[in-house]
Amino acid sequence: TQLLEQSPQFLSIQEGENLTVYCNSSSVFSSLQWYRQEPGEGPVLLVTVVTGGEVKKLKRLTFQFGDARKDSSLHITAAQPGDTGLYLCAGAGYAGNNRKLIWGLGTSLAVNP
Amino acid sequence: NAGVTQTPKFQVLKTGQSMTLQCAQDMNHEYMSWYRQDPGMGLRLIHYSVGAGITDQGEVPNGYNVSRSTTEDFPLRLLSAAPSQTSVYFCASSYEYRDRKGETQYFGPGTRLLVL
Repeated sequence: TQLLEQSPQFLSIQEGENLTVYCNSSSVFSSLQWYRQEPGEGPVLLVTVVTGGEVKKLKRLTFQFGDARKDSSLHITAAQPGDTGLYLCAGAGYAGNNRKLIWGLGTSLAVNP
Repeated sequence: NAGVTQTPKFQVLKTGQSMTLQCAQDMNHEYMSWYRQDPGMGLRLIHYSVGAGITDQGEVPNGYNVSRSTTEDFPLRLLSAAPSQTSVYFCASSYEYRDRKGETQYFGPGTRLLVL
């Protein structure tokens, strides 16, 4: 069974701090996606990383895909209260012609003013 | 574009009742999926469809039926509601990247279901 482990599970920080959350697996993925989910809403895609070692930046958010395409990290610089939410990673792969999307359980981030 | 819409937003059912959760997308995506999200369990795939007329089971299909008569609509039916089906249900539509690199999922706002 493919698993995606996210850490930490919960994180509470002060505005202006930096943080990194992780998404790890023993499986290789074709691509990996990061989503943010705010309370009462559905997840919203932040970024997709496809190439091993790839780094993508989205304003204060930096995403990295591991060289072996088994893990990823999300780094937030100078966190703001608007960054509060549940961060989910999802790994995409194929078993034959069947596509699979494996979800992590998420990191719940609270940024306090 | 409205994206992915879901109705109703909230629903309370009694055990044994049936209902249909509606989902529609206007992005002409081939793929559509239904998930349930429970504390500590994450997002779990119930059923999915790779195109009109084609559906398949996901990780937790028991107690649910789906059909896909059009590209736009993908309703989820609860046949006989049970308290274990209390959850938040999300519908998603997606397209596949070229070179089979994965897919981008667009989620609806969710339906919060309580089964008493």
